Amino acid sequence: GDSVTQMEGPVTLSEEAFLTINCTYTATGYPSLFWYVQYPGEGLQLLLKATKADDKGSNKGFEATYRKETTSFHLEKGSVQVSDSAVYFCALRVDQGAQKLVFGQGTRLTINP
Amino acid sequence: EAGVAQSPRYKIIEKRQSVAFWCNPISGHATLYWYQQILGQGPKLLIQFQNNGVVDDSQLPKDRFSAERLKGVDSTLKIQPAKLEDSAVYLCASSLGTQDTQYFGPGTRLTVL
Repeated sequence: GDSVTQMEGPVTLSEEAFLTINCTYTATGYPSLFWYVQYPGEGLQLLLKATKADDKGSNKGFEATYRKETTSFHLEKGSVQVSDSAVYFCALRVDQGAQKLVFGQGTRLTINP
Repeated sequence: EAGVAQSPRYKIIEKRQSVAFWCNPISGHATLYWYQQILGQGPKLLIQFQNNGVVDDSQLPKDRFSAERLKGVDSTLKIQPAKLEDSAVYLCASSLGTQDTQYFGPGTRLTVL
């Protein structure tokens, strides 16, 4: 079945460090890929998405590129801030049938000043 | 624009008791989702509605869980009777359609003792 595997957390970095959170997927068909973020005390929010191979999603300084050959969608940011501390979820949606989201287990990111 | 509303935010019950959660989606959103998020895991879809019809309930434990979306707007999710393993955050989300961005509510944290 469809599944998403994320980098094990938690991840702790210093402010202005470079961030990578790995995400790989297994899917039947051609999925759309997403990164959601959950800030402390808040609901899940869509951070960025990509709908086809080689697409790059970007938002708030974060980027992720849809790599079909490696079935990956790694999240990157060049210089993290304390306000980026949150839990990050990678997800896929196969655009057939019910088109439901399948999430990874989440990666908790803490940025220290 | 008002977001997805959920209530209650927290609930503590004894095992074998019943509990119900309520969700009010964003106005005009035809698709409504209920997810279960166990601590340390990503959200798992329980049921998806399109207007007041069920699109996918393949992962809903139907012997104890039920959900309805009367009039295609608000929705309730019920657990009867609850088990210890039902302790989780229950998330409601809505979207304009099945291919549109899902917007999540703050969730209801259920603790079963």
